[in-house]
Amino acid sequence: ETAVFQTPNYHVTQVGNEVSFNCKQTLGHDTMYWYKQDSKKLLKIMFSYNNKQLIVNETVPRRFSPQSSDKAHLNLRIKSVEPEDSAVYLCASSWTGAEQFFGPGTRLTVL
Amino acid sequence: GQQVQQSPASLVLQEGENAELQCNFSTSLNSMQWFYQRPGGSLVSLFYNPSGTKHSGRLTSTTVIKERRSSLHISSSQTTDSGTYLCALVNTGNYKYVFGAGTRLKVIA
Repeated sequence: ETAVFQTPNYHVTQVGNEVSFNCKQTLGHDTMYWYKQDSKKLLKIMFSYNNKQLIVNETVPRRFSPQSSDKAHLNLRIKSVEPEDSAVYLCASSWTGAEQFFGPGTRLTVL
Repeated sequence: GQQVQQSPASLVLQEGENAELQCNFSTSLNSMQWFYQRPGGSLVSLFYNPSGTKHSGRLTSTTVIKERRSSLHISSSQTTDSGTYLCALVNTGNYKYVFGAGTRLKVIA
């Protein structure tokens, strides 16, 4: 049963455009995450939010920014996309340090 | 250096064979989580295993912290087991999860 929801499933855009991805979890968890998965399936954490506070901000380009309205929502904005941003973006949630649950992912293609 | 190393990188099995996937880590951890990812799909949690052995159907996970390793055993493999298996080191001290590069499993009939 899905408990971490992501929209959209797919997005195709051109270089320089702004995109925004949404994530919502209904598990009541206190921590949410954004990961980037490249074509080789390597998974790298981008951000994590604990009770709306940014607690991990990995070295990602400044055009990426997380946005959270409450502990159940964590969105990801990319201000001006570049070709290397093409990837699958995965959202996850957990209690702090506990088992993570992932959403279905958003596949971004930058032309 | 890489904190989490998975082996083998890829594996091909005949249906019915068993598989042993390994995850070795070079840093302290609080737990290890194993995931399954079907091609084009998302990550499904298989085990969250801080230590010892856990079972779920044909799957068994064993984590030995002092040896800095965790394993995933698949018995009597089926074609539907094909996909990528990922392990993640869970460090609750700094809220970080570090993923291995994955094992790509293909089970053929």
